[in-house]
Amino acid sequence: AQSVTQPDIHITVSEGASLELRCNYSYGATPYLFWYVQSPGQGLQLLLKYFSGDTLVQGIKGFEAEFKRSQSSFNLRKPSVHWSDAAEYFCAVGPSGYSSASKIIFGSGTRLSIRP
Amino acid sequence: AAGVIQSPRHLIKEKRETATLKCYPIPRHDTVYWYQQGPGQDPQFLISFYEKMQSDKGSIPDRFSAQQFSDYHSELNMSSLELGDSALYFCASSPPGPTGSYEQYFGPGTRLTVT
Repeated sequence: AQSVTQPDIHITVSEGASLELRCNYSYGATPYLFWYVQSPGQGLQLLLKYFSGDTLVQGIKGFEAEFKRSQSSFNLRKPSVHWSDAAEYFCAVGPSGYSSASKIIFGSGTRLSIRP
Repeated sequence: AAGVIQSPRHLIKEKRETATLKCYPIPRHDTVYWYQQGPGQDPQFLISFYEKMQSDKGSIPDRFSAQQFSDYHSELNMSSLELGDSALYFCASSPPGPTGSYEQYFGPGTRLTVT
């Protein structure tokens, strides 16, 4: 069965520092991978997605993620975080191949706090 | 750009009451998904509809039902509410196409509180 693991429940980084949020997935084939961000009391915003092709994907707000098949990982990175990046980040996986209305499976999330 | 609209944004109900949550997808999106996010939890898939037909079903209680209408909006009906149903309910929509179902755009959510 598909699953997503985010090993870090809570991470605190200083403003201006670099960030890497870890995500590991379990899926038999190449999955579709996503990172979503959720600010307190807000909905889920798609940061970036990987379907195929270049394994380094660029997203919004200066985020990027790298798909590493050998490590079953899809870590999210940002070179310099801003105080407004404080939020909950969810890694998610969807099955590859066309299937109408296929659900997304979310990881448990990583809460990012920014130290002034 | 238009986003997914959910109403109401907040809802307070008592135990054993019923609730109806509405979702209006992004224009031209034909697929709607419902997710439930409990406090401090990750979103859990409930159910999805494609072209007004139920497509996939997750951990949705039998007390809940949903449908998608001809204008593609969807409603989630919840009966005999329990305290454990208190959660943030998200609706997402996706556009048509081979990879459309994986580009799910989420609404702001409806926060349901059952007292």
